Amino acid sequence: DTGVSQDPRHKITKRGQNVTFRCDPISEHNRLYWYRQTLGQGPEFLTYFQNEAQLEKSRLLSDRFSAERPKGSFSTLEIQRTEQGDSAMYLCASSPTGGVGGYTFGSGTRLTVV
Amino acid sequence: ELKVEQNPLFLSMQEGKNYTIYCNYSTTSDRLYWYRQDPGKSLESLFVLLSNGAVKQEGRLMASLDTKARLSTLHITAAVHDLSATYFCAVDDMRFGAGTRLTVKP
Repeated sequence: DTGVSQDPRHKITKRGQNVTFRCDPISEHNRLYWYRQTLGQGPEFLTYFQNEAQLEKSRLLSDRFSAERPKGSFSTLEIQRTEQGDSAMYLCASSPTGGVGGYTFGSGTRLTVV
Repeated sequence: ELKVEQNPLFLSMQEGKNYTIYCNYSTTSDRLYWYRQDPGKSLESLFVLLSNGAVKQEGRLMASLDTKARLSTLHITAAVHDLSATYFCAVDDMRFGAGTRLTVKP
């Protein structure tokens, strides 16, 4: 297992289209986080899972965003009716429960909405 | 709501100099994480601090945690150009500060 994998690496979409990103965490990691990062800013928390349970979702997140982790393994993040303001890097991170050993980040998916 | 504040936000320093980056947070937390991010890259874990008084060192970087003061520091000793990056702290359930963009000049 080589780390956290995110797919695709880059996505260009037209405004109003739906997009879905995938994150494959390190296999034994129970916790999985999604973040959004824009240029010059810190990662902004979106949501996190403990196994298949979505334990918290940022209130900053509109209902156009949804995330799943159906079997407690990989996760998907979907954005419906994309807007130009959704253009950002979307990062996934995973950790064993409690995060004692730190979190491992994927390389991210860069979304551009045109 | 948890707030994580880093300062300075921008830091330009000469090679060989020492400096400290500060991370303040607003609620009780018993763990703190430091990460490094190079331009266009993802985040790399540097340190995990799990208790009050924890101190960890790796090369020219040393991190400490004071949970009573709700403060963590990242100290840079004898900076070199390769340390140029953005450094983030994150608290508890991975809420991040805005980052400190460090540039080390020859």
